[in-house]
Amino acid sequence: GAGVSQSPSNKVTEKGKDVELRCDPISGHTALYWYRQRLGQGLEFLIYFQGNSAPDKSGLPSDRFSAERTGGSVSTLTIQRTQQEDSAVYLCASSLDGLNTEAFFGQGTRLTVV
Amino acid sequence: AQKVTQAQTEISVVEKEDVTLDCVYETRDTTYYLFWYKQPPSGELVFLIRRNSFDEQNEISGRYSWNFQKSTSSFNFTITASQVVDSAVYFCALSEARGNTPLVFGKGTRLSVIA
Repeated sequence: GAGVSQSPSNKVTEKGKDVELRCDPISGHTALYWYRQRLGQGLEFLIYFQGNSAPDKSGLPSDRFSAERTGGSVSTLTIQRTQQEDSAVYLCASSLDGLNTEAFFGQGTRLTVV
Repeated sequence: AQKVTQAQTEISVVEKEDVTLDCVYETRDTTYYLFWYKQPPSGELVFLIRRNSFDEQNEISGRYSWNFQKSTSSFNFTITASQVVDSAVYFCALSEARGNTPLVFGKGTRLSVIA
């Protein structure tokens, strides 16, 4: 596609429910990042996929968070048993070859846990 | 480990003033890349500039300029003659060339330009 696409744009869920957030990166981009941005805060790294390498999961805050990237393209971030502190905007980005090129960001998914 | 520090949390200036946003980074690599992104109120992050560690030449793009100094590990961003449309959160970011390491962001500086 023309840009990084994330869905849904907004998600309201009840505490304790599981949610899945989707990211469609720019076609041909080998690197994909997930970040979390709480209200008024900076970007918190969550997970990074680069080609066929094992993902860097060092930023995932707990084992309730997981992500996968199928076929080197679409990625899904899953949050199990959501908590109110999970409320944030979840941003996905992709770049052509990983570390050294510009990362293009999607519009984000605003998650609200009530 | 790589780290980016943006010490200025919020800055407020009057339109037409010049303003400099500071960015200090830490890395063990000799090859790395520095970025600046803008996040306007709409929320979408917009890429502004990418600079590699071997290129210390300062860059100017219209009212924007960047001062990269390896000696002080800084990559500062100056907006000349600021405008209301410059109001946004600005993020500095770093990626290391070795291995698979993620793009690390500073906490951002919120710039408010007042008419």
